[in-house]
Amino acid sequence: DSGVTQTPKHLITATGQRVTLRCSPRSGDLSVYWYQQSLDQGLQFLIHYYNGEERAKGNILERFSAQQFPDLHSELNLSSLELGDSALYFCASSFRLAGDSEQFFGPGTRLTVL
Amino acid sequence: GNSVTQMEGPVTLSEEAFLTINCTYTATGYPSLFWYVQYPGEGLQLLLKATKADDKGSNKGFEATYRKETTSFHLEKGSVQVSDSAVYFCALRSSFSGGYNKLIFGAGTRLAVHP
Repeated sequence: DSGVTQTPKHLITATGQRVTLRCSPRSGDLSVYWYQQSLDQGLQFLIHYYNGEERAKGNILERFSAQQFPDLHSELNLSSLELGDSALYFCASSFRLAGDSEQFFGPGTRLTVL
Repeated sequence: GNSVTQMEGPVTLSEEAFLTINCTYTATGYPSLFWYVQYPGEGLQLLLKATKADDKGSNKGFEATYRKETTSFHLEKGSVQVSDSAVYFCALRSSFSGGYNKLIFGAGTRLAVHP
């Protein structure tokens, strides 16, 4: 158990809908990262938050947004869902902003868009 | 840009066989290199890492050496077990800020070990 929790574990929804994925980092970790794992794109970095502020963006679609709250949990919002958004979404946390700080991954949320 | 290329799977081995999973990278500067493992139905776990050239990361019988001259970080294990069956990801973290701690992953290699 990495100490990172993600809810829900599975999510099935329809095209055009909006969903919210939730991540709670390890106790004491200030950084939260979101990654998408899909069959065609592999594992891709989406976005990084540190202590409530967005610090880096990767291949994140405009339909997707995220935030990190004062209690450090994070939510990834996916809207106008398309079939191609079906994937496993991982959250990871680390203590530091940068440098040699290991990322600990949660178990993921599997999103299926029908 | 930064990228990671690893051998395609699946790799199928018998128990106690020798394992090599190749990984090469392209990066500016001096990245840190990682191997992560994903067991069925679970998230990724850090297996080992190396932060500078010629460093050897090791854990649970797995080893990988950071080779700057060949831009490689191949994963090896002398004798695999059925419990090693999983997907293995090679990854790098750039030494330049701007991406901060973001990890860039290879496509993953599935390993299946049979008794």
